[in-house]
Amino acid sequence: DAKTTQPPSMDCAEGRAANLPCNHSTISGNEYVYWYRQIHSQGPQYIIHGLKNNETNEMASLIITEDRKSSTLILPHATLRDTAVYYCIVRVLGNQFYFGTGTSLTVIP
Amino acid sequence: DVKVTQSSRYLVKRTGEKVFLECVQDMDHENMFWYRQDPGLGLRLIYFSYDVKMKEKGDIPEGYSVSREKKERFSLILESASTNQTSMYLCASSLGGAGGNEQFFGPGTRLTVL
Repeated sequence: DAKTTQPPSMDCAEGRAANLPCNHSTISGNEYVYWYRQIHSQGPQYIIHGLKNNETNEMASLIITEDRKSSTLILPHATLRDTAVYYCIVRVLGNQFYFGTGTSLTVIP
Repeated sequence: DVKVTQSSRYLVKRTGEKVFLECVQDMDHENMFWYRQDPGLGLRLIYFSYDVKMKEKGDIPEGYSVSREKKERFSLILESASTNQTSMYLCASSLGGAGGNEQFFGPGTRLTVL
């Protein structure tokens, strides 16, 4: 069963913020939300993760709704190198990660 | 930086051959994982391991086996390769424990079974 729901594709203008949504309505209290991205022909790359609170690092910000049923990954100033498939993942107990099909983000010059 | 390496980037095998995919990580991680990635299906977990000689089935273990004799190495074995095992295979590792540990991925092996 799918653990998360993401739009299949999105476009974003270079230099603008990219906001990638994710629904995880069946998330339980001890599950984290992770975001990874995969640039063509490479392995996935970790971006950020969170449990309840919003998180920010040098790559992105993660906004999690109060009920934790959805989240948004924000790339504040998208560049052409941010073109990739972005995966939103909910981590169940036991260290298993369930990857869906992700969102293909295209940054347009 | 964590480095996860996989033995081959591209591999071509024939139906019925035994295939070994090797993965090595250099950061003393307890956990290691094997995924396959197919268009429209995302990444699917085949097997994972929490420790040496330990293994757990993922979502799609049929047709695969694994071996973890040393902490740094996790091997995926296709006992008798079939054409439906043509795919991109990705290895990952992470620290152990119940915290929110990120997984580090290797570059992948694109396997074609003829």
